Formats: sequence, C-alpha cells, structure tokens
Amino acid sequence: EIVMTQSPATLSVSPGERATLSCRASQSVSSNLAWYQQKPGQAPRLLIYGASTRATGILARFSGSGSGTEFTLTISSLQSEDFAVYYCQQYNYWPRNTFGQGTKVEIK
Amino acid sequence: EVQLLESGGGLVQPGGSLRLSCAASGFTFSSYAMSWVRQTPGKGLEWVSGINTRGDYTDYADSVKGRFTISRDNSKNALYLQMNSLRAEDTALYYCASKETGIRPFDYWGQGTLVTVSS
Repeated sequence: EIVMTQSPATLSVSPGERATLSCRASQSVSSNLAWYQQKPGQAPRLLIYGASTRATGILARFSGSGSGTEFTLTISSLQSEDFAVYYCQQYNYWPRNTFGQGTKVEIK
Repeated sequence: EVQLLESGGGLVQPGGSLRLSCAASGFTFSSYAMSWVRQTPGKGLEWVSGINTRGDYTDYADSVKGRFTISRDNSKNALYLQMNSLRAEDTALYYCASKETGIRPFDYWGQGTLVTVSS
C-alpha cells in the first residue's frame, strides 16, 4: 500500500500570507497526485491534479508542484475562504487510491 | 448539473448489515469508474472500494475485504455498497466518488451518508 504523509498537520497563517503544504509518497506515484480542499460539513473538492494542473474553476493562487515522491501545494495569498483542511491523494494505483492524513490551514 | 446522492446510512448494531446506494445524474454514469470513500468523524479520508465502468472489476481495502461488496447498475445510474458483519470501526461518513476513464483523480463527490455501528 502506498502511504501518503502530509506535513505539517496544522499550519497557522495570517490572511494574505503564503502557505506551503507538503505531501510525500512512500514510493513513486509519478505525477498522479491530486490535492483536495475540504471545509466543515462539505465533501472534498478537487483543486489540483497531475501534481500541477488546476481543476476547473480553481483560482491561480493555488499551485502544485513535484513528481515521484515529493509534492507541494502552495497558496500564494491566503484568503478567508481558503482556511480549510487539505488532502493529497495518489491515484497512480487505481482503484487503490490513498490519501494523506490532511493539513489543517488555520487563521493565525 | 452533476449530482451524486448517497442514501442508506443509519444506526446498526455490531454484526449487522446495511446497503448504501448512490444515485448519479448529470453525467454519463456508465463512462465513469466509481468508488466509495469513508471519513471517520474528525479524521481523514479512507478509500474503501472501487469498481470499473462495466462492473466486472472490483477492489477493496484490506479493512473491509470479505465483508463489503460494491456493485453498480448502469441502467439505473446507481452504485451500491453492501456492508455485512459491521464493526464499530466502520462508523464513518461514506462518500461515493466518480472519476473519468484513464488515470484520473475523483472528479465528483456526493455529500455522504452516515453509518453508525453501535449497540
């Protein structure tokens, strides 16, 4: 099983600042890595796929990078609506997708 | 508008059974592989089971293998999860999620149905 490890568990950021979230895979997943945003009481929403491609309707302040085992999600200037939990997911080994444990981005 | 609507959750005793359903609309259901993903209250996301477009390939997380069965009816645009021998640790919000053919993430998610296993 591919284990996805996210860091940090919680990230405290002031509005307008940059947030950098990390995700590591226990073995290579190529570029088959997605990021999801989840707000309380809502289903996850796809932000990034292919490690760096924004999903439809996702604003340019969200960007992803990496390949193989190391990935990063960057939110360039945090807005109030961006405070949420973010999950990475590998989908290289369908259907056995695996998720990271999540990073909570909270207001500093 | 794409919609996935889960149903069938509820309170069940340990050892009991439930059948979850997911009704799909707004897209060509038969062209999408489907999965069930669960989320324990306050915890993260766990993939449970997946099924291909034709329904002739399925897979399960080790934690549910032998107890859960995924199926689909493309004529009814519906996905199912039969859950038997339920345990307390199966308590979670269960989402259905879809993806297009090819190497793709989950494009669409339902809002989830809550399963509580307790005596």
